[in-house]
Amino acid sequence: LAKTTQPISMDSYEGQEVNITCSHNNIATNDYITWYQQFPSQGPRFIIQGYKTKVTNEVASLFIPADRKSSTLSLPRVSLSDTAVYYCLVGDPLSYNQGGKLIFGQGTELSVKP
Amino acid sequence: DTAVSQTPKYLVTQMGNDKSIKCEQNLGHDTMYWYKQDSKKFLKIMFSYNNKELIINETVPNRFSPKSPDKAHLNLHINSLELGDSAVYFCASSQARQSSSYNSPLHFGNGTRLTVT
Repeated sequence: LAKTTQPISMDSYEGQEVNITCSHNNIATNDYITWYQQFPSQGPRFIIQGYKTKVTNEVASLFIPADRKSSTLSLPRVSLSDTAVYYCLVGDPLSYNQGGKLIFGQGTELSVKP
Repeated sequence: DTAVSQTPKYLVTQMGNDKSIKCEQNLGHDTMYWYKQDSKKFLKIMFSYNNKELIINETVPNRFSPKSPDKAHLNLHINSLELGDSAVYFCASSQARQSSSYNSPLHFGNGTRLTVT
C-alpha cells in the first residue's frame, strides 16, 4: 500500500494561491491520487482525483508529474472558509470500492488568515 | 437530504458500557465503511462491507462488532467500552465498480464523537 507524506500544517492569507504537495514514492500502476478536505466536526469531503498530468475542477487543480511519485493540490485564491485539513490518498479504485483498504495519512492543516 | 447519516452525533458513556452507533446511506452505494479518527487526525479504517459482506476487518478488538442488515445500513456495536475507545467514528460509503475507473469517492457522514469516562 502506497504511503503518503505531506506537511503537517501550512499558513496562508486570503486571496493567495496555496499549493500542498504530497509524496507517494511507492505508488502502484493502478493507483489513483485523491484529495479530501475536512472541516471541523465534519467528515472528509472529496475534492479532486487524478491519475497523471493535470486535473482541474471548480474547486482545485491537481498536478501530477510524469513519475507520479508526488502530487500537488493547488487551491486558487483561498478564503477563510478554506481553513481545513487536507488529506492526500493513493489507492486502486477497483480495490477499495469493493471494500478494499484506503489509507488516510495525517493530513495538512491549512490555516487561512485575513 | 443527508447522503450518509450517523446517529448519535455525540455519545458520552462510562467504561464497561455497551453502545451502538447507527449509519445509513441513501446513495444506493454497495460498499460501506467505518473509520476511527484519533486526536491527531489520523483516520484509520476499521471495517468495510460490500453488499452486506464483510471485506475488511482490521486489527480491531473483537469488542467492536459491525452489523449490516442491508446495503444501506452499517451499524457499529461496541461492548465493554474502554477509555482508549474515545475518538470520532466516521461512517462512509462508496460505489463499487467492476473495473478500475476514475472517481468513486468515499462519502462520509459527519461523525460520532464518542467519549468514554
